[in-house]
Amino acid sequence: RKEVEQDPGPFNVPEGATVAFNCTYSNSASQSFFWYRQDCRKEPKLLMSVYSSGNEDGRFTAQLNRASQYISLLIRDSKLSDSATYLCVVNKGTGNQFYFGTGTSLTVIP
Amino acid sequence: DAGVIQSPRHEVTEMGQEVTLRCKPISGHNSLFWYRQTMMRGLELLIYFNNNVPIDDSGMPEDRFSAKMPNASFSTLKIQPSEPRDSAVYFCASSLVDNQPQHFGDGTRLSIL
Repeated sequence: RKEVEQDPGPFNVPEGATVAFNCTYSNSASQSFFWYRQDCRKEPKLLMSVYSSGNEDGRFTAQLNRASQYISLLIRDSKLSDSATYLCVVNKGTGNQFYFGTGTSLTVIP
Repeated sequence: DAGVIQSPRHEVTEMGQEVTLRCKPISGHNSLFWYRQTMMRGLELLIYFNNNVPIDDSGMPEDRFSAKMPNASFSTLKIQPSEPRDSAVYFCASSLVDNQPQHFGDGTRLSIL
């Protein structure tokens, strides 16, 4: 089983839609969780951290479910500029190593 | 503030040649990571340094790959001899302390002919 698994998509949604991505992880000792965004032919960039109580940043909401070992990202009122690949990132449990998911591709259509 | 700086941005070379990729982490960050990204395998961790010391190199594909970090502001990833299957985008990332998010450089697009 992979350490981090994501639905690769692609997700094609109209502008203004709400879209949600899930990511499951295998290491119950993992403590740190992040969502990164990667545009085509660019480097991954931190989108937001994921906190135990859930957190929101504008149109983006991240949730953590430790019991089921998954994290989620919700994007409301999708914009064309949200088109990208979203990577789920989970730490190894100890130290400073992280597992990156293979990413979920999102295309927002006019 | 300067981010992670990688060079070169692009490298095209022939099979068998030595390739050296360079990285300057964000000043003050104590952890540095080298990743490789391909369509087939996604983002793979090759090696991780903490305070200039290699901590885990289990992701290094084989002996043809080597990495060094002679000081806190510079690291190299070397492939010798290079092979076509090494073609990928190589990213360097750094982070401040344990469990903090990593910041990536622009990457080096490597093509081995």
